[in-house]
Amino acid sequence: AQSVAQPEDQVNVAEGNPLTVKCTYSVSGNPYLFWYVQYPNRGLQFLLKYITGDNLVKGSYGFEAEFNKSQTSFHLKKPSALVSDSALYFCAVIYNQGGKLIFGQGTELSVKP
Amino acid sequence: GAGVSQSPSNKVTEKGKDVELRCDPISGHTALYWYRQSLGQGLEFLIYFQGNSAPDKSGLPSDRFSAERTGGSVSTLTIQRTQQEDSAVYLCASSLIGVSSNEKLFFGSGTQLSVL
Repeated sequence: AQSVAQPEDQVNVAEGNPLTVKCTYSVSGNPYLFWYVQYPNRGLQFLLKYITGDNLVKGSYGFEAEFNKSQTSFHLKKPSALVSDSALYFCAVIYNQGGKLIFGQGTELSVKP
Repeated sequence: GAGVSQSPSNKVTEKGKDVELRCDPISGHTALYWYRQSLGQGLEFLIYFQGNSAPDKSGLPSDRFSAERTGGSVSTLTIQRTQQEDSAVYLCASSLIGVSSNEKLFFGSGTQLSVL
């Protein structure tokens, strides 16, 4: 089945420390992968995407994500977390190229001072 | 418009009533999407439109749910005979061309639906 999984409901990080939000996918063919962020009381915003090319993708607000085909993962990372990064993060994959965008369950990131 | 606009922002209704949720996409965007966000359920795909047609309705949970889009612009999601399990945030998004182009989606702020 085509799917995307975020194994952690919540990630807690101290400000200044590196952060990782995990995502794994299951989709036939070449996946198109996305990360979106939802700040409190605001709509979802696009962070970054992987279509093809370099496995390391850089996006907004200093975030990056690494596509790993052998592990079918697309983890979101940031070298130094900020309190303002606290939000709900969603990984997404395009199902069967040209079809719908499937989202994961979301991971709540909490960055404490 | 400047962004995707959804109305109402909040809707409280009684079980068994019908509700209509409206989405006004970004001007010029041909693709429009409806998702549902429930606590602990993530984002659930409902339907998407390419222009006025809906190539994929597979996410609609039951025949109580329907959606239409007219003039390639505004879309309405209708839920008939609402049930308590329909309570959720209904999100609309639009993109310039469509998912096949791998574009990013622009989301509205959503409609919080509460069925009592």
